[in-house]
Amino acid sequence: DAGVTQSPTHLIKTRGQHVTLRCSPISGHKSVSWYQQVLGQGPQFIFQYYEKEERGRGNFPDRFSARQFPNYSSELNVNALLLGDSALYLCASSLLAGERGFQDWYQETQYFGPGTRLLVL
Amino acid sequence: AQTVTQSQPEMSVQEAETVTLSCTYDTSESNYYLFWYKQPPSRQMILVIRQEAYKQQNATENRFSVNFQKAAKSFSLKISDSQLGDTAMYFCAFTSLTQGGSEKLVFGKGTKLTVNP
Repeated sequence: DAGVTQSPTHLIKTRGQHVTLRCSPISGHKSVSWYQQVLGQGPQFIFQYYEKEERGRGNFPDRFSARQFPNYSSELNVNALLLGDSALYLCASSLLAGERGFQDWYQETQYFGPGTRLLVL
Repeated sequence: AQTVTQSQPEMSVQEAETVTLSCTYDTSESNYYLFWYKQPPSRQMILVIRQEAYKQQNATENRFSVNFQKAAKSFSLKISDSQLGDTAMYFCAFTSLTQGGSEKLVFGKGTKLTVNP
């Protein structure tokens, strides 16, 4: 089975431009999350979408937006790019997004894609 | 806010030996999950092991095992019989439900592990 796929793999933009990153989750997965990983740091949460609705948003400016499509794929959009937006952008998918079960809450494992390396000049 | 701390920026180990990576976390939640992810130079983040906080038994996956100390909020990863392919960045991550409704992962800064031949 195919894993999480992301496109493009690499991207070079200049300050002020706009960028769209794409993610296709594992087949059957309905939850997609986006993370930003700056060089030398752990990933930082940007968004989570589940069943096409925003489930959570991290501490990122409004220049960052995302959406999820009926086929559960997702786009991350960043407007007015800054040099500091240069990073590896990771997409992760999971089967469900926190189901209430025997232990009150069950967390599905998030599986990551290979990432998109964005360089802003 | 939940935080995850990995106090060892870099570690090295000889092939076939055992190494332990440390992780501590801070939370007031009682129901949460902990993960170790591996990120080789290829950048693909790969799940190594997961631990449910309500389970007292430590998780194991082949050569990988954890020492989960809930009271101490400690979650270390032990890699036995280290292999060259274990060379990677290792990230400890935490998630709980009560984070504004999302199931976001909170990551530590990572430990760079090098396995030497």
